[in-house]
Amino acid sequence: EDQVTQSPEALRLQEGESSSLNCSYTVSGLRGLFWYRQDPGKGPEFLFTLYSAGEEKEKERLKATLTKKESFLHITAPKPEDSATYLCAGIRGGGSEKLVFGKGTKLTVNP
Amino acid sequence: DTGVSQNPRHKITKRGQNVTFRCDPISEHNRLYWYRQTLGQGPEFLTYFQNEAQLEKSRLLSDRFSAERPKGSFSTLEIQRTEQGDSAMYLCASSRGQSETQYFGPGTRLLVL
Repeated sequence: EDQVTQSPEALRLQEGESSSLNCSYTVSGLRGLFWYRQDPGKGPEFLFTLYSAGEEKEKERLKATLTKKESFLHITAPKPEDSATYLCAGIRGGGSEKLVFGKGTKLTVNP
Repeated sequence: DTGVSQNPRHKITKRGQNVTFRCDPISEHNRLYWYRQTLGQGPEFLTYFQNEAQLEKSRLLSDRFSAERPKGSFSTLEIQRTEQGDSAMYLCASSRGQSETQYFGPGTRLLVL
């Protein structure tokens, strides 16, 4: 069965303290790995799509990378407004279009 | 591009009642998805449409749940005889094509008393 596991479940950082979130996956024939940000009571907001091992994408203070077994979301010099839950999801090969999500990492950035 | 919209945003109902939610996808997106999210969990896939055809359904979608997309535009998700376990956030997403990014709406939060 396809599975996506995110760690840590929760992370507290001081403003400016860089760190990484991990997403390990066992998704058959992975066709895409997606990162979303979710604020409380809202729908997930798209951040990045990665399609192949070695691929990297950046947006402001965030950088996503992908290997054959896991993905990392690096946060450089975070600000309090980066506080949110970050969700990782994979889409398998074989024609299925469903995203398989992890439980997310809740990030809190203190000023 | 006005984004995915969902209505209502909140619904409180009594056990045993029927509820219906609506999702309007991003225009020109021919794929539409429904997910359910409970507290502390990631979204779980329910079903997806390509145009008006329902192509994939999860085992989570019991016979009390039905989804339609009659003209390939908006979609409705109906839950019959609601149970307390149906309380969750129901999320809709749309995408332009296969394996492309799914953009989510704000969700409908359902509370079954």
